[in-house]
Amino acid sequence: GQNIDQPTEMTATEGAIVQINCTYQTSGFNGLFWYQQHAGEAPTFLSYNVLDGLEEKGRFSSFLSRSKGYSYLLLKELQMKDSASYLCAPMDSNYQLIWGAGTKLIIKP
Amino acid sequence: GAVVSQHPSRVICKSGTSVKIECRSLDFQATTMFWYRQFPKKSLMLMATSNEGSKATYEQGVEKDKFLINHASLTLSTLTVTSAHPEDSSFYICSARGKAAQETQYFGPGTRLLVL
Repeated sequence: GQNIDQPTEMTATEGAIVQINCTYQTSGFNGLFWYQQHAGEAPTFLSYNVLDGLEEKGRFSSFLSRSKGYSYLLLKELQMKDSASYLCAPMDSNYQLIWGAGTKLIIKP
Repeated sequence: GAVVSQHPSRVICKSGTSVKIECRSLDFQATTMFWYRQFPKKSLMLMATSNEGSKATYEQGVEKDKFLINHASLTLSTLTVTSAHPEDSSFYICSARGKAAQETQYFGPGTRLLVL
């Protein structure tokens, strides 16, 4: 079957760094997306990885290891507005995104 | 990123009525559009996938006669919830994607439906 494993909830301090891990199992693989979803809102696109390695985009970076079925999202210089759920969504062989419940990130002052 | 709009953002209706939700891609041609629903604190559930000019493909367990999807142009898809009931109350979100299958899905802001 296809599944995604992310921590349900994480807490971090404003100004700090946090890493949200994701392991996945899919039928085939066509890349992995990270989305941010604030409470009561729709997801917004953060990053896409299809090759192994680290992709950096401002305060956010995303890493992928295809052989390990593993990705992480790294958030630096945390701000209060970063409090949200972070969704790891791998794309399977049919180009379907597989969705889990995401990781709720709570930022404390 | 690309912009996707959704209308209405919020709707309250009586049980038994039908509700139409529009999803528009504003600055790109959306070859494929997706319709999701999401219950509080739960993951996104894909309801159906529609390609422009074709019939939608529904996920298992989603009634196609109840959730009518039309994707008549490259910028517009509609979801009609027919004969809505309180259990249909949910957050409905569309997303749109360009021509290539591995392209990013961009989401609309969602429609919160409450059926009384």
